[in-house]
Amino acid sequence: QVQLVQSGGEVKKPGASVKVSCKASGYSFTGYYLNWVRQAPGQGLEWMGRIHSNSGDTYYAQRFQGRVTMTRETSISTAYMELSGLTNDDTAVYYCARDKEVAGIWGYWGQGTLVTVSS
Amino acid sequence: DIQMTQSPSSLSAFVGDSVTITCQASQDIRNYLNWYQQKSGKAPKLLIYDASNLETGVPSRFSGSGSGTYFTFTISSLQPEDIATYYCQQYDSLPSALTFGGGTKVEIK
Repeated sequence: QVQLVQSGGEVKKPGASVKVSCKASGYSFTGYYLNWVRQAPGQGLEWMGRIHSNSGDTYYAQRFQGRVTMTRETSISTAYMELSGLTNDDTAVYYCARDKEVAGIWGYWGQGTLVTVSS
Repeated sequence: DIQMTQSPSSLSAFVGDSVTITCQASQDIRNYLNWYQQKSGKAPKLLIYDASNLETGVPSRFSGSGSGTYFTFTISSLQPEDIATYYCQQYDSLPSALTFGGGTKVEIK
């Protein structure tokens, strides 16, 4: 079965960067986009961007342009999301989510990674 | 970006009641609209895709309808396990600028 397993929680200082991983199993890794969605405490869901696991093509939400980098390592079926220039407002749970057979429909989600930004 | 306006932001109903959530898009998104359920501390779960299609394994008390700019999501007979926050999400703007509604928190009276 499809599984997305994310890396553990992180605590970072303002101005630092964080890199979250999402390891996929149970399907052909290179066939789909992986998306990153975040949720600040008590807030709603926010799409950050997506990466195609084969081509590496990326699309980022405008508000994260210049601060986010999404990459993947096909040999270990893992995608990464790196966010730089962290502020307290980046404290959130970060999720990876895989498209179903149709792009834009997210049928599979990782368990989430809490990133805490605090001085 | 396409704005998704979801209402109400919260609701409280009795077990067995029918509850309806609406989602309005700032422009025509055809039927490219999904609904997710998020229980406390968990990842979202896809319930409805393409406005009205029930995801495999999801109980039939959940349903969705609409197209263009106005969409509805209904739980026909609210159950205690339906306590969650529900989100709409559009993907008409692929390949980027995908957006969610603000969420509706559903509670039991």
